[in-house]
Amino acid sequence: QVQLQESGPGLVKPSQTLSLTCTVSGGSISSGSYYWSWIRQPAGKGLEWIGRIYTSGSTNYNPSLKSRVTISVDTSKNQFSLKLSSVTAADTAVYYCARAEDTAMVIAYWGQGTLVTVSS
Amino acid sequence: SYVLTQPPSVSVAPGKTARITCGGNNIGSKSVHWYQQKPGQAPVLVIYYDSDRPSGIPERFSGSNSGNTATLTISRVEAGDEADYYCQVWDSSSDPSVVFGGGTKLTVL
Repeated sequence: QVQLQESGPGLVKPSQTLSLTCTVSGGSISSGSYYWSWIRQPAGKGLEWIGRIYTSGSTNYNPSLKSRVTISVDTSKNQFSLKLSSVTAADTAVYYCARAEDTAMVIAYWGQGTLVTVSS
Repeated sequence: SYVLTQPPSVSVAPGKTARITCGGNNIGSKSVHWYQQKPGQAPVLVIYYDSDRPSGIPERFSGSNSGNTATLTISRVEAGDEADYYCQVWDSSSDPSVVFGGGTKLTVL
């Protein structure tokens, strides 16, 4: 059974870079045809997709966040990471990492989520 | 960019049938997935590829997709079904991305 766990600072200052890591257990991040994704959810609001990285390393990002987002993978540690630059209070949210399958992006596995607050 | 529209709320009495819609331009040509999210928890996949159920999801949950509307149907609603529900598609346009609907709060009366 695949499990995902987010980790990283819970508090980030405005204008700085938010950095989160997702550790995958129960399977190799480099095997299979999966899309490793980041999704966020501000308090009381809906889900917003941030972006994904494929097993091959190719990426796609939400057009509204593309200029500030980088997703990368470290196969040696079975982890993938999110960097979001120039953050503001609007980036305060619960951040989820997830695994999606096939081209239709069925998101079958989710991490538990981690709250990141942007505040000085 | 592609937009999915859900009603903010749906209310239903226990034992009745709840229908949650997800509207989008020609959504019938896309594959729609549905997630259930309870307070303080991560979303859970309840329907994928319009109408397939993952293992462990009760048969009371079903889905359909045609034209400009996809529908999640929950039969014989129970108190434990009260949650937020989100539809989702993959938009393979010039700037491909995952798109979520705004979510529907299902209230069991």
